[in-house]
Amino acid sequence: DAGVTQSPTHLIKTRGQQVTLRCSPKSGHDTVSWYQQALGQGPQFIFQYYEEEERQRGNFPDRFSGHQFPNYSSELNVNALLLGDSALYLCASSRGGGTNEKLFFGSGTQLSVL
Amino acid sequence: GQQLNQSPQSMFIQEGEDVSMNCTSSSIFNTWLWYKQDPGEGPVLLIALYKAGELTSNGRLTAQFGITRKDSFLNISASIPSDVGIYFCAGPFYGQNFVFGPGTRLSVLP
Repeated sequence: DAGVTQSPTHLIKTRGQQVTLRCSPKSGHDTVSWYQQALGQGPQFIFQYYEEEERQRGNFPDRFSGHQFPNYSSELNVNALLLGDSALYLCASSRGGGTNEKLFFGSGTQLSVL
Repeated sequence: GQQLNQSPQSMFIQEGEDVSMNCTSSSIFNTWLWYKQDPGEGPVLLIALYKAGELTSNGRLTAQFGITRKDSFLNISASIPSDVGIYFCAGPFYGQNFVFGPGTRLSVLP
């Protein structure tokens, strides 16, 4: 039973570039949430995708966008990268699109913006 | 926005000691989740709580859903070196999916 998988594990970009991160949910899950975790802090909610639509969104600018595919996998895109976007990006999967469902996290993508 | 507070921020204990930490919210929650995160890894779900007053165990870990529904507690008995890590609480907040606390960093001394 595969858990949540994310790729790549590490990424280095420069300011102004664009980045795409990928996530495959845990088997049997259909909902994907993305979180940003800065060093020394708890994860911060970016957005949630269910039925290929963005269902909820945290306090992040439009530079952060996403997509969910018919197989429930998801992408996170960040445009015009800033130094402050350097963080661990976590994908979490759950079932049914609800807000009380347990979240299962992947190992994350460590993004460094130089 | 919604914030969760965790106490203590960090703790150093001797191997074999029991550990207690808590999480408080300014809002009422109907679910509490507790996670552990190792360096460079994603958070791993330890315990989920769904009812005020609920007490749930997972091996040496025990968590309780506070009666006021604004707090939760996590206890670890007979700590071992692999308990080292950061422990996060999380609760659902309208429009924000799950909100996470800042974490309690646990260090275990041999």
